[in-house]
Parts: sequence; C-alpha cells; structure tokens
Amino acid sequence: SYELTQPPSVSVSPGQTASITCSGDKLGDNYVCWYQQKPGQSPVLVIYENAKRPSGIPERFSGSSSEYTATLTIRGTQAMDEADYYCQAGDRTTVAFGGGTKLTVL
Amino acid sequence: QMQLQESGPGLVKPSETLSLTCSVSGYSISNGYWWGWIRQTPGKGLEWIGSIYHSRRTYYNPSLKSRLTISVDTSKNQFSLRLTSVTAADTAIYYCARDVVQQLGVNNWFDPWGRGTLVTVSS
Repeated sequence: SYELTQPPSVSVSPGQTASITCSGDKLGDNYVCWYQQKPGQSPVLVIYENAKRPSGIPERFSGSSSEYTATLTIRGTQAMDEADYYCQAGDRTTVAFGGGTKLTVL
Repeated sequence: QMQLQESGPGLVKPSETLSLTCSVSGYSISNGYWWGWIRQTPGKGLEWIGSIYHSRRTYYNPSLKSRLTISVDTSKNQFSLRLTSVTAADTAIYYCARDVVQQLGVNNWFDPWGRGTLVTVSS
C-alpha cells in the first residue's frame, strides 16, 4: 500500500502562516491534492494538481510539491481555517490519503 | 450545480453485504467523469474504496478488491457500492464523490463530495 505521512497537528496564530506537510515515497512522480474538512462536514477540495486552487477557494491557500514532500500553505490564517486537512495522491496502483492534520488557530 | 447523495442501510450485520447508492443531480453521469467511493473511520482516516467510469470501467483499492463491486446505472443517474463479508472494521462514514481523473493512478481529485452516510456493522 502507498503511505502518505502528515503531522497530526499544527498550531498557528491568527494572521500568521500555517504550513502542513505530506510525505511519501516518490511523491514528486505524481500529483497531490488537499482537502479541508470541518467537524460534521464533508471534505472540500482546496488544492489540486499540487498547486491549483478550485474556484471559490481563497488565495491565501497555496500548494507546492517536491520529490518526497508536498506542502499546503495558508497565509494570513483566519479562525475559519481551523479544520482537518488531508493530502491525497496516487502511486499508479491505488489512491491514498494522508492521515490528516488538525490545524488549530490559537 | 452538481450534487451527490448517498443512500442505504445504516446498519449491516457481520458477514453480510453492505450496499449503498449514490444519486447524482445537476449532471448526467453519461456525459463523462469517473465516480468514486471513499470512507472515513476515526482510526484510519480517509480511505479510497474504488471508482467507476460511465462506461463501467472500474478501478478498486487492492485491499478491498476481493469483496468489492461498484456499478453504474446511467438511466437512473446513480452508481452503487457493494461490499461483501463485512466486519466491524467496515464501520465508517461512506462518501460518494466525483472522481476527476486526469491520469489514472497519477493525477486525480474528488470534487464535489456527498454529505456521507454512516454505516455500522453490528449484530
């Protein structure tokens, strides 16, 4: 199975920059996307193809990817950004999700 | 606006078959795209189950493949999940979603998602 590793939690102060990482073997060979999930809600796509933002997603959300690590960055973090974030990628045989990172805005 | 809605029993007995249907509105499945199932458990997070194309081509999570069937009914604009021989480990919230596949196994994303339905496996 293909494993993607995320930190369980990240904390950030309002207005600061939050970075959430996703690590996996040969991650750079495939595309990564990111989802935001708030309590009691379904996941919402916030980044696809490593760095593209869907319509309606604020510009403060951005993504990047290198050979083994992808990063979701939230600039000027707001209280409404507090949520769980999941990365997702494939390895040609399956589709995998990271374990999720709980973002706390203190 | 495309919307997806899961439906099916909320309680399934161990060793029996879990069956769910996803109804799509605002878009005709026949027009294209893949359509996927994902589940979420407190312990394992999100897990991709499998996806189907409107032509009935499928690709499944290898860990579930032996118990899994995903089918599509274009006349009803629905696709369905069937998971056999369930155990407590299959207890989860099951989501359906549009699977936007640019390159199979390399580049895909799920958008939008249904609201999810909780399925509990218990006697």
